[in-house]
Amino acid sequence: EDKVVQSPLSLVVHEGDTVTLNCSYEVTNFRSLLWYKQEKKAPTFLFMLTSSGIEKKSGRLSSILDKKELFSILNITATQTGDSAIYLCAVEREGAQKLVFGQGTRLTINP
Amino acid sequence: DAGITQSPRHKVTETGTPVTLRCHQTENHRYMYWYRQDPGHGLRLIHYSYGVKDTDKGEVSDGYSVSRSKTEDFLLTLESATSSQTSVYFCAISVTNNSPLHFGNGTRLTVT
Repeated sequence: EDKVVQSPLSLVVHEGDTVTLNCSYEVTNFRSLLWYKQEKKAPTFLFMLTSSGIEKKSGRLSSILDKKELFSILNITATQTGDSAIYLCAVEREGAQKLVFGQGTRLTINP
Repeated sequence: DAGITQSPRHKVTETGTPVTLRCHQTENHRYMYWYRQDPGHGLRLIHYSYGVKDTDKGEVSDGYSVSRSKTEDFLLTLESATSSQTSVYFCAISVTNNSPLHFGNGTRLTVT
């Protein structure tokens, strides 16, 4: 059974801090790992990672995948209150066309 | 929102009643999905579809059925709602078989 575990489940930091969110996984025939941000409604796509060691970056957010150790991290630098959200990690296996999600990390940025 | 509309947005129903949630997309994508989201569980796949009349079960399919008679509509039915089905339901689409899912805004269902 495919499994995705995120940590921490909840994190509270001050504006300007840097945070690292973790995602470990067990999946047969791994294809990709995805990160989503969920504020009040629909999860919105952040990154898709398929290769080890290649950092994906978008502004203050970046993510990297380690396929040997079966984990990914999502970094957010110089956090802002608008970064407050639930961050979801998901994995996809080859040929499956469906995602298995972790429990999510609830990030709160205090001013 | 990738052209995805979920209806209704909110619904309160009583235990034992049938409920149908609708997901409508405007862009003719092949793959459609129904997930539920509950505290502590993240998003869990209920059913998905890879074309008209082609559907398959996800990890939490018990108590749910789906239908896809047209490319643009994917219906999720609770034949006899139970309190354990109180949840937020998200529909998602995939543009291709190698692209990330895009989600609708969700339906909050409360079963009393």
